[in-house]
Amino acid sequence: EAGVTQSPTHLIKTRGQQATLRCSPISGHTSVYWYQQALGLGLQFLLWYDEGEERNRGNFPPRFSGRQFPNYSSELNVNALELEDSALYLCASSSGTRAAGELFFGEGSRLTVL
Amino acid sequence: QQQVKQSPQSLIVQKGGISIINCAYENTAFDYFPWYQQFPGKGPALLIAIRPDVSEKKEGRFTISFNKSAKQFSLHIMDSQPGDSATYFCAASRMDSSYKLIFGSGTRLLVRP
Repeated sequence: EAGVTQSPTHLIKTRGQQATLRCSPISGHTSVYWYQQALGLGLQFLLWYDEGEERNRGNFPPRFSGRQFPNYSSELNVNALELEDSALYLCASSSGTRAAGELFFGEGSRLTVL
Repeated sequence: QQQVKQSPQSLIVQKGGISIINCAYENTAFDYFPWYQQFPGKGPALLIAIRPDVSEKKEGRFTISFNKSAKQFSLHIMDSQPGDSATYFCAASRMDSSYKLIFGSGTRLLVRP
């Protein structure tokens, strides 16, 4: 069974540009989560999508946005990139929405903003 | 109230020793406490999890101890092995419709041969 897949693996952008990151969840999983892992800051919750709807978002500015497609894959968009957006962006999926359960993480997309 | 504080930031243990990582939380509504293990270049993977109705859970060499009154929980790795060298994250969440995991800042564990 394929795990969570993310693309691209690495992305280099300059300040002010836009970045788009993609995630395919494990087959059968309907929930997708995005986390930012910046050096020394652990994993910061960004967004949660389920059944195509945004269910929750973390304490990030509106220039962080995303969507979930009918096939449950997801896209994270970061507009007006700033230097501090440089981080590893992790996508995770799960099969449940109301019961806390295991999150399955991808290997991440490393975004570097120059 | 949403924070999960984790310590130490890094830990060096000799092979065969016990590794102990501690976490504290503030939100008493949290009712699910997992630990994730992350190897370099990989995403985090669930290691072990506990709910507040028990004070301890053991899986192989890994044990979670939970102290509800102190709002603290810890991960103990017995007989630590070099293959355990990784970054460990504690986390907490609420089992409601606004499910999301709040992670600690991580502990980088190095087990020396």
